[in-house]
Amino acid sequence: DAMVIQNPRYQVTQFGKPVTLSCSQTLNHNVMYWYQQKSSQAPKLLFHYYDKDFNNEADTPDNFQSRRPNTSFCFLDIRSPGLGDTAMYLCATTTGSRTNQPQHFGDGTRLSIL
Amino acid sequence: GDSVTQMEGPVTLSEEAFLTINCTYTATGYPSLFWYVQYPGEGLQLLLKATKADDKGSNKGFEATYRKETTSFHLEKGSVQVSDSAVYFCALRNNAGNMLTFGGGTRLMVKP
Repeated sequence: DAMVIQNPRYQVTQFGKPVTLSCSQTLNHNVMYWYQQKSSQAPKLLFHYYDKDFNNEADTPDNFQSRRPNTSFCFLDIRSPGLGDTAMYLCATTTGSRTNQPQHFGDGTRLSIL
Repeated sequence: GDSVTQMEGPVTLSEEAFLTINCTYTATGYPSLFWYVQYPGEGLQLLLKATKADDKGSNKGFEATYRKETTSFHLEKGSVQVSDSAVYFCALRNNAGNMLTFGGGTRLMVKP
């Protein structure tokens, strides 16, 4: 089945130690998103790529960065994670050209900072 | 800007009870509307959608009708099951962009 796949499902890392989360998709969607979700709150958009164009949300912390080497893959890098970055991180994709299309989500990576 | 308001949870029901989760929105133009469901420890799954006024989205016994006159998209199910216990998010995508605007989510707990 066409899917959005996130790896790893669970990640535990130390305070201040860089961490990278990955997302891949087989839907050939041109838009990819990264969200942070805490305690069953609504997902909070961090940034998104429209094709190769990167769009950062104004309140996304500077130590959160992203890379999209090709259409299928997108990475979330946290350079120096703090305790407050413990959360579920969700990747999503959609087609940018059709506004009635939903976003398709992966199962998320649950990140714990110790 | 766009906004989505959902009823606060948790909503606790007995199995086979009727479910309604209210959702209202504010948006310019003609947004598409979605319900997503999130089971514990998982990502969001699209439950149903409606893309224009009076459309009814349906899936797995859930239904929601796009009501432009009341700017609402209430989720309903005639008979809930324990397996429906999850968090439900109402969302809209405006035709002006690629962003989803989410409601705050409603936790549903169904007891046997």
